[in-house]
Amino acid sequence: DTAVSQTPKYLVTQMGNDKSIKCEQNLGHDTMYWYKQDSKKFLKIMFSYNNKELIINETVPNRFSPKSPDKAHLNLHINSLELGDSAVYFCASSQVPSGGPPWTGELFFGEGSRLTVL
Amino acid sequence: LAKTTQPISMDSYEGQEVNITCSHNNIATNDYITWYQQFPSQGPRFIIQGYKTKVTNEVASLFIPADRKSSTLSLPRVSLSDTAVYYCLVVRIKAAGNKLTFGGGTRVLVKP
Repeated sequence: DTAVSQTPKYLVTQMGNDKSIKCEQNLGHDTMYWYKQDSKKFLKIMFSYNNKELIINETVPNRFSPKSPDKAHLNLHINSLELGDSAVYFCASSQVPSGGPPWTGELFFGEGSRLTVL
Repeated sequence: LAKTTQPISMDSYEGQEVNITCSHNNIATNDYITWYQQFPSQGPRFIIQGYKTKVTNEVASLFIPADRKSSTLSLPRVSLSDTAVYYCLVVRIKAAGNKLTFGGGTRVLVKP
């Protein structure tokens, strides 16, 4: 059973199109994230949701809109795709143990969704 | 959060020990040092985390000196499958929404 799963794994599309990437986690975690990894392999956080509430929103164009229908799902919709949006998008989840610290703050990542905009 | 600096790449041979040093001069009292591993076409995977002194698990050891301004990830007796990018991060643990910032990482190539 894959802990954090993303679909699709590969996405090739034309500039100007709208596309979505879906993410689901079966770990029972409260917090989910979207990260973007560019061609230079830098991983940058985009958004984070905790129990369906947006808690981290980095400087990301308004064309990117996350949606969390429940705490196990976090989807990413991208409008009017641009060439610069080509990247690998990773979903992740984490959980703070109910017993309190210490905890590692470990993130569990999906396998990524490679988006290519032509 | 403290910025981290680590070598861009390292080559090694099977069976050798690989040590990757990361500097984090501006680390704060509440910060932990965390290492992730990323294989090609996969998401990063947590390896180890420490606050000070030495931490060891089944995958690696993490050495942190008293001043905590650097840390060294040690991979014992590497194999070809340890070829990956290794990221050093400084993490401030929060109740929710740990905003991990990944740098460029160290590309480790293990040769036969």
